[in-house]
Amino acid sequence: DAGITQSPRHKVTETGTPVTLRCHQTENHRYMYWYRQDPGHGLRLIHYSYGVKDTDKGEVSDGYSVSRSKTEDFLLTLESATSSQTSVYFCAISSGPIYNEQFFGPGTRLTVL
Amino acid sequence: AQTVTQSQPEMSVQEAETVTLSCTYDTSESDYYLFWYKQPPSRQMILVIRQEAYKQQNATENRFSVNFQKAAKSFSLKISDSQLGDAAMYFCAYRSARANSKLTFGKGITLSVRP
Repeated sequence: DAGITQSPRHKVTETGTPVTLRCHQTENHRYMYWYRQDPGHGLRLIHYSYGVKDTDKGEVSDGYSVSRSKTEDFLLTLESATSSQTSVYFCAISSGPIYNEQFFGPGTRLTVL
Repeated sequence: AQTVTQSQPEMSVQEAETVTLSCTYDTSESDYYLFWYKQPPSRQMILVIRQEAYKQQNATENRFSVNFQKAAKSFSLKISDSQLGDAAMYFCAYRSARANSKLTFGKGITLSVRP
């Protein structure tokens, strides 16, 4: 199994509070991704990174920001959480555009009350 | 923009039987990759099988095989000799072969296996 961990695994927070989710990998893969999974929508890409300090937006990036200061860590921040951001969040990694498989972390269940 | 469609939200199969999960996609590109991911109740996303668009031969991984019809933009997954452990949500996904391209997922299908 690819070495990907996510923390926390579960979080309950209140509307308006900031939240940071962490993705950590031990594979030294260049590409990292954040997805959210909601019933009826499958997985949707929030942000991704193709290198340290290189990030770009996905299809549902509003309300989210990311940072990648080290190869192994990719942080997802909700500056002011809203109930619509209640979801399961997955981090994924990939070694590059040639080898296209993505390996997923275990997911974080976030509830915003 | 690429889209991936899984039109069947749920399917059921008898243990030891064969089941086929459907997926269609829309793209204007000629070089791309297609994937099937499995998500059991543990929520872990597991890659089941992958198909390169330039390969005419259908991919096979043990009991899992695909029927890739490039002209029809169809990519179905066949599970043979279904097992109870195959019960999960299955997602079809598309990715362009261009650099920095992203995975686009279908909405998924829930497969149940009857003992």
